[in-house]
Amino acid sequence: EVQLVQSGAEVKRSGESLKISCQASGYSFSTYWIGWVRQMPGKGLEWLGIIYPRDSDTRYSPSFQGQVTISADKSITTSYLQWSSLKASDTAMYYCARRKSIVATDAAFDYWGQGTLVTVSS
Amino acid sequence: SSELTQDPAVSVALGQTVRITCQGDILRTYYASWYQQKPGQAPVLVIYGKNNRPSGIPDRFSGSTSGSTASLTITGAQAEDEADYYCDSRDSSDNPVVFGGGTKLTVL
Repeated sequence: EVQLVQSGAEVKRSGESLKISCQASGYSFSTYWIGWVRQMPGKGLEWLGIIYPRDSDTRYSPSFQGQVTISADKSITTSYLQWSSLKASDTAMYYCARRKSIVATDAAFDYWGQGTLVTVSS
Repeated sequence: SSELTQDPAVSVALGQTVRITCQGDILRTYYASWYQQKPGQAPVLVIYGKNNRPSGIPDRFSGSTSGSTASLTITGAQAEDEADYYCDSRDSSDNPVVFGGGTKLTVL
């Protein structure tokens, strides 16, 4: 059974750093992309970036380039999303999701994590 | 602003058919995928590719594309279909993922 299990909710202050995780199981971790998606309170889905764990090829949304860092550790089938200096506007739910391809015409996020709520106070 | 445009809200009477649309020039080349999100839950993939349903998705959900518009059709909408629906695809700047703004479906 494919599963993406994310780390628990976080409460931080502005300026602090944070790294949240997404542990995958039930499939070949290295051969699927892992994407990260933000959902601010009451708002829609926004794509942050995506990583291919086999070679760590990473692509970022222009809107989030330089704002977050995505990484992956194949040895523990885990992807990470991190911030070096949080802002109150980073308060949101963050989801990881699996994608087989980023070039196929029928690419999709077929499995999602349960989400990690990040709350940043000023 | 998103390069995939969705109507913010759509309503349908119980048991009737509803179509939710996603418009973008990239859809002339790439298919849209569709996700259902209920309050407090993670999104769930309901349609991908030309018209493919993942295992467990009822066959009342179907997808189609005409020109630059992709559509998600629910034939015989049920109360449990009330949710937010999002499309995704690539964007015209070669970024691999972009989401539409989402459509809130109300089942009356």
